[in-house]
Amino acid sequence: DGGITQSPKYLFRKEGQNVTLSCEQNLNHDAMYWYRQDPGQGLRLIYYSQIVNDFQKGDIAEGYSVSREKKESFPLTVTSAQKNPTAFYLCASGSQPQHFGDGTRLSIL
Amino acid sequence: GESVGLHLPTLSVQEGDNSIINCAYSNSASDYFIWYKQESGKGPQFIIDIRSNMDKRQGQRVTVLLNKTVKHLSLQIAATQPGDSAVYFCAENPDNTDKLIFGTGTRLQVFP
Repeated sequence: DGGITQSPKYLFRKEGQNVTLSCEQNLNHDAMYWYRQDPGQGLRLIYYSQIVNDFQKGDIAEGYSVSREKKESFPLTVTSAQKNPTAFYLCASGSQPQHFGDGTRLSIL
Repeated sequence: GESVGLHLPTLSVQEGDNSIINCAYSNSASDYFIWYKQESGKGPQFIIDIRSNMDKRQGQRVTVLLNKTVKHLSLQIAATQPGDSAVYFCAENPDNTDKLIFGTGTRLQVFP
């Protein structure tokens, strides 16, 4: 089936650690996105990529990094510089409309 | 600044009734709008979208209305079912990129 796969579904991070969230799509989409969702709130854009080997900061990029080496993959690294990383992270791909994966919930130990 | 907001954070309806979820947007240059449904622990699911050159668009049991004069967007769900219970988000595309600006969401609760 075509779709967007995010892994893992749950992730725990210790203080000072970097963690990487995976996002893979087999929809042949050029554009991919990472959003952060906090409880009871809407989605905020972290980073987006419109084509392989290119990406741009969104509204809340500080403390995060991404890469786009392959069209199918857009991993997000939550670095130790992100002081409040506990959130639900959503990956999307496509354009008008964007389609979403089922998210990764990151918690701090 | 640019923003998308909702008038009602929670909407409770009886099964079989029609639901109307409202959304206000602030950027008059936005040319694309979209509604998503999000169930607990899952990612947003695309429902319906509309471009600024249209006032109304219908899908299966859903209708989106766009009023550009007052910068208002609404989602109508006909014959609401328990499976419609979720949080609904509107979003707008304010420029010529693919970036979306999301509202804070409305929770729809359907009672039997």
